[in-house]
Amino acid sequence: AQSVAQPEDQVNVAEGNPLTVKCTYSVSGNPYLFWYVQYPNRGLQFLLKYITGDNLVKGSYGFEAEFNKSQTSFHLKKPSALVSDSALYFCAVRDETGGFKTIFGAGTRLFVKA
Amino acid sequence: DAGITQSPRHKVTETGTPVTLRCHQTENHRYMYWYRQDPGHGLRLIHYSYGVKDTDKGEVSDGYSVSRSKTEDFLLTLESATSSQTSVYFCAISESGSIGREEQYFGPGTRLTVT
Repeated sequence: AQSVAQPEDQVNVAEGNPLTVKCTYSVSGNPYLFWYVQYPNRGLQFLLKYITGDNLVKGSYGFEAEFNKSQTSFHLKKPSALVSDSALYFCAVRDETGGFKTIFGAGTRLFVKA
Repeated sequence: DAGITQSPRHKVTETGTPVTLRCHQTENHRYMYWYRQDPGHGLRLIHYSYGVKDTDKGEVSDGYSVSRSKTEDFLLTLESATSSQTSVYFCAISESGSIGREEQYFGPGTRLTVT
């Protein structure tokens, strides 16, 4: 069965420091991995995805994520955090056999302090 | 933002009453989804549609039904609302979904409270 884990409920970083939001997954086939961000009182916005190819994926707003097959991880990263990056981040996974079903993690709240 | 609207944006209803939430898109995307968001659970799929009049159940479909009579509209009905259905409901769309590679685009959400 598909599953996604975001082990940290909250991540705190100082502005200008690098940030990492962790995600691990479990699927039966090849994974399709996604990161979404949710700002207060808004719907989720797509940030980036890994389908195949390079393990380092670049996305919107300077975010990137590294796919690690052996560790079944897809951590979200940014070299220099901004206060405006403070939001709720969701990792999501589909597998090639799962059809339409996307499994979302519980979310990690990122707080960037000025 | 993708052209997705949800109505109403907020609703308070009483236990046992039927409630219908509407999702409307202007992107002409084939696939539409209804999710609920609850603290500690992320988003969970209720139902989805892969075309007009083509729908299927997600992981938390009990107590919910859907209909899609036009490409642009996807309705979610709570047949007899219960307090456990108090949640924030999100509609999402994707251009195609047959191989799962596509990202989804989300509406602004509907906050439903069942008293």
